[in-house]
Parts: sequence; C-alpha cells; structure tokens
Amino acid sequence: DAGVTQSPTHLIKTRGQQVTLRCSPKSGHDTVSWYQQALGQGPQFIFQYYEEEERQRGNFPDRFSGHQFPNYSSELNVNALLLGDSALYLCASSFGFGAGYEQYFGPGTRLTVT
Amino acid sequence: AQTVTQSQPEMSVQEAETVTLSCTYDTSESDYYLFWYKQPPSRQMILVIRQEAYKQQNATENRFSVNFQKAAKSFSLKISDSQLGDAAMYFCAYEGNSGAGSYQLTFGKGTKLSVIP
Repeated sequence: DAGVTQSPTHLIKTRGQQVTLRCSPKSGHDTVSWYQQALGQGPQFIFQYYEEEERQRGNFPDRFSGHQFPNYSSELNVNALLLGDSALYLCASSFGFGAGYEQYFGPGTRLTVT
Repeated sequence: AQTVTQSQPEMSVQEAETVTLSCTYDTSESDYYLFWYKQPPSRQMILVIRQEAYKQQNATENRFSVNFQKAAKSFSLKISDSQLGDAAMYFCAYEGNSGAGSYQLTFGKGTKLSVIP
C-alpha cells in the first residue's frame, strides 16, 4: 500500500517565478493538507482540500493556491516566488474531513528560491 | 489563535532510559485534539500518539505515553526504554474541534531528541 507521495523531491527556482508541487494521497484517503516547514521550525498549515474544494486556509497570501483532482491528488501552486518561500513543503492526507483524523505525511518537496 | 510551545529545543537520553518532552498550548476551545508527531532525519513525519481533550485518561502507545493536564494546558510525552530509533525531531500539535475552520494542525517548534548508546 503506497503511502503519500510527493513530487518533485527537490526544486530550485528564481525569485518571481512560479512553481507547482504535486501530492498523491495514501490509498483510500480523500482529504489533503499542505504545510510549509522552514528550516528549524515546525510545519505551518497552508490549506486543506476536501471534495475538490479548499475547506480551510492558514495565514498565507493569495500567492499560494491549490487544487484537488477527482482522484484526490492535489497540487500546490506558488506565484511570484520570494526568497522567504524557501522551505520544505509537506503534503498530508487523511480519510474524512474534521478533527482528530490521523494525518499521513509525505516525504516533502524541498524548494529553494534564489 | 491557538499556540503551541515546546520549551526544550534539544534533549538527550541514554539508551534504555526514560525521557519526557514538554509541550504547552493556549486555546479558548473546550474540545480539541493533541498529537505528538515524530520526524526522523529522513523527514517523513509519523504520528506517535493522539489525545482527545474530553477524555481524562492519558493515551498510551507501547513505550510512549502522555501526561495530559487540561487545566494547565500541558501535554508532555514520555518515552520509556528509549531506543536508538527514537532519535528524531518531535513535534507537539494541536487541532481544534469547533467546526470548519478549526480543523487544522498547529505545530510547536519541535524538540530534537538524541539517544546515546
């Protein structure tokens, strides 16, 4: 049973560019959440998708957007990249929308903005 | 807004000994969940243990147990019989249960645990 997968593993972009990160949830999971983890910090919640809609959003600007597809996979898009966007981006999936569900995390995508 | 504080950036423990990691949180909600997640050097985060706020009994998972003090808003993790594989970053996390908008994990900054052979 494949767990949460993310692509690419690493990415280097230039300031001002746009980037798309991808996530496939664990089999049977229908909810996907995205987190940004800066070096030496805990993950910060970006947003969560359920039934192809953004259901919750953390304190991130509109430059961060996402999408969930009918097969439950998800994309995170970041426009007009800033140096401060350099971080590990984690995707997590769970079954069901609500509190208390165990979230399964992927290995992350390391984004470096130069 | 909810906040989670882990006051110990780093901890170390001898193999086979017991160690306790601290976590405090701030919330105005009465119903919520608390979690401890482990992030080994390979980066993939895994759930260690979960506590439901309305349950008074402390959660236990094999060698891992918590001390949940709701009034004090404290949620510590005890690891017994520490093993080399326990070395990792440990994150305490909070999730509200007040309806849509509160179902999001808020993490602390983490505690790096080293296990000494």
